[in-house]
Amino acid sequence: DVQLLESGGGLVQPGGSLRLSCAASGFTFSGYVMSWVRQAPGRGLEWVSSISGSGASTDYVDSVKGRFTISRDHSKNTVFLQMNSLRVEDTATYYCAKGSLMGSNYGSFDYWGQGSLVTVSS
Amino acid sequence: AIQVTQSPSSLSASVGDRVTITCRTSQGVTTDLSWYQQKPGKAPKLLIYSASSLHSGVPTRFSGSGSATEFTLTISNLQAEDFATYYCLQDYNYPYTFGQGTKLEI
Repeated sequence: DVQLLESGGGLVQPGGSLRLSCAASGFTFSGYVMSWVRQAPGRGLEWVSSISGSGASTDYVDSVKGRFTISRDHSKNTVFLQMNSLRVEDTATYYCAKGSLMGSNYGSFDYWGQGSLVTVSS
Repeated sequence: AIQVTQSPSSLSASVGDRVTITCRTSQGVTTDLSWYQQKPGKAPKLLIYSASSLHSGVPTRFSGSGSATEFTLTISNLQAEDFATYYCLQDYNYPYTFGQGTKLEI
């Protein structure tokens, strides 16, 4: 079975940093794009970032460009989201999601993690 | 970025009803649109991909249609467990964009 397990969330002050991890199992990790999607309290879903199966290609929503970095470690079947210069408006539950199409940089999200709460507050 | 407009934002219905939710995109996305269901405190779940393909394990009362810029999610014979919030997502190009969500209430 596909499993995605996020960790690394918590409380951080504005301007601080946090690194989220998503440990994947149950599929050929290197074959699929992996993404992060966030949801602010009481709000809708927002795509944040994606990384291709090889790790060579990355994309970001404009509001996090230059502050967040997505990466993946194939030896650990884990995808990361390094979040720097955090702002109050980055407060959200962050979900890790698996792409549905093997070998493609696009596609829907067929499996999701349980989410990791990031709170940015002084 | 492609804008996605989802309507209605909320919807009241009863068990056994048939409901339709619509998403419109600001430019054509062929059939690269997917639908998700989210219940309070839970992660979203994929229902429909490629506009009209049912994800594994999803009941057949869920169906999707559309292409280019207009898409619909239809739920027939509503069940109690279907009351949730639904989102569409254009997965045609980056940045991916979600609709604003539709809260389906009893």
